[in-house]
Amino acid sequence: KNEVEQSPQNLTAQEGEFITINCSYSVGISALHWLQQHPGGGIVSLFMLSSGKKKHGRLIATINIQEKHSSLHITASHPRDSAVYICAVNNMEYGNKLVFGAGTILRVKS
Amino acid sequence: DGGITQSPKYLFRKEGQNVTLSCEQNLNHDAMYWYRQDPGQGLRLIYYSQIVNDFQKGDIAEGYSVSREKKESFPLTVTSAQKNPTAFYLCASSIDPGGQTQYFGPGTRLLVL
Repeated sequence: KNEVEQSPQNLTAQEGEFITINCSYSVGISALHWLQQHPGGGIVSLFMLSSGKKKHGRLIATINIQEKHSSLHITASHPRDSAVYICAVNNMEYGNKLVFGAGTILRVKS
Repeated sequence: DGGITQSPKYLFRKEGQNVTLSCEQNLNHDAMYWYRQDPGQGLRLIYYSQIVNDFQKGDIAEGYSVSREKKESFPLTVTSAQKNPTAFYLCASSIDPGGQTQYFGPGTRLLVL
């Protein structure tokens, strides 16, 4: 079993829809990250969370430490949100190294 | 502009050939990392370096080698011993040795001819 599991693997949405991507992990963590990878391949950091909730523009990230679960929400989705969204955790059992989920491929249609 | 650069963007390797991927950063970060990305899988750590002249193997180091002679540079060599080198390679750096927050380069796609 992978230490970080994301769902769904693929997601197609219509412009304007509310989108949720889920991440579950099975190890002790010091932080959880949501990353965005555009078709060109470069990765940018969206959020780093250790508790609670963070919001940036139309993006909201939440984490439930007890349930070992995090969600990334996109409100009023737009075609430019189309990308791969990656969940990663700092694994405390592995010297805080980053461990990555396989990613969720999001396509927003206009 | 501060950031991480990787070159080339695309690289082709012939059978039995060693190739070297470049990674340079001007963020003054001590720690640097190399990851491999395959379709449907999460990024996997190849090698990392927390300080100049020191580096450690990651989860999938076999068939790869690195050097860290300068703080700014962390080149990755894909040797002929790596039997399945076709992948997307990402370099990252971090100001903290633990690598809690990492900044990623644009990546290099390696293809085998």
